[in-house]
Amino acid sequence: EDQVTQSPEALRLQEGESSSLNCSYTVSGLRGLFWYRQDPGKGPEFLFTLYSAGEEKEKERLKATLTKKESFLHITAPKPEDSATYLCAVQDTGGGADGLTFGKGTHLIIQP
Amino acid sequence: NAGVMQNPRHLVRRRGQEARLRCSPMKGHSHVYWYRQLPEEGLKFMVYLQKENIIDESGMPKERFSAEFPKEGPSILRIQQVVRGDSAAYFCASSLQGTAGNTIYFGEGSWLTVV
Repeated sequence: EDQVTQSPEALRLQEGESSSLNCSYTVSGLRGLFWYRQDPGKGPEFLFTLYSAGEEKEKERLKATLTKKESFLHITAPKPEDSATYLCAVQDTGGGADGLTFGKGTHLIIQP
Repeated sequence: NAGVMQNPRHLVRRRGQEARLRCSPMKGHSHVYWYRQLPEEGLKFMVYLQKENIIDESGMPKERFSAEFPKEGPSILRIQQVVRGDSAAYFCASSLQGTAGNTIYFGEGSWLTVV
């Protein structure tokens, strides 16, 4: 069974204080690893898809990296508007469910 | 450039009533997924549909829940005889092609409250 564990559960940073969020996963074969951002009362907003170890993707202050066991979402010089819950999800190449398996998320608060 | 559209956004039902949640995928998308998010829990996959076909319903509860995606019109998630434990946010998502690593875009969700 696929498993996704995100840490920390919550993180409070000062504006401009860079940090990283962790996503550890267990799958029989990785088809893709996804990062989403979710604001309160909203649906998940797509950020990145990573397919193979060593791959990196960037978007504004966010950078996602992938190894065979985990992914990191690096946040550089964050702003208050980056406050949200960040979700990690995996998709398996196996014959199981076609859906994504999500972690519980990291609740990020950026204080001005 | 409409995204995934869900309605209603909020729905209140009494125990034993039926709830119907609707989802229109992004323009051009023919693959639809339903997820449930319970309080303090992560998103859980329920079902994956293409037009007129259920591809994977491994995450659907065996009773009271059903989903369809007809040739014309939105996808419907139907919950019969709702119970308090069904209170959750239900998210629909869609993708252009199948699930093989393709980006899955989510709607804003339908919040079901059972009283």
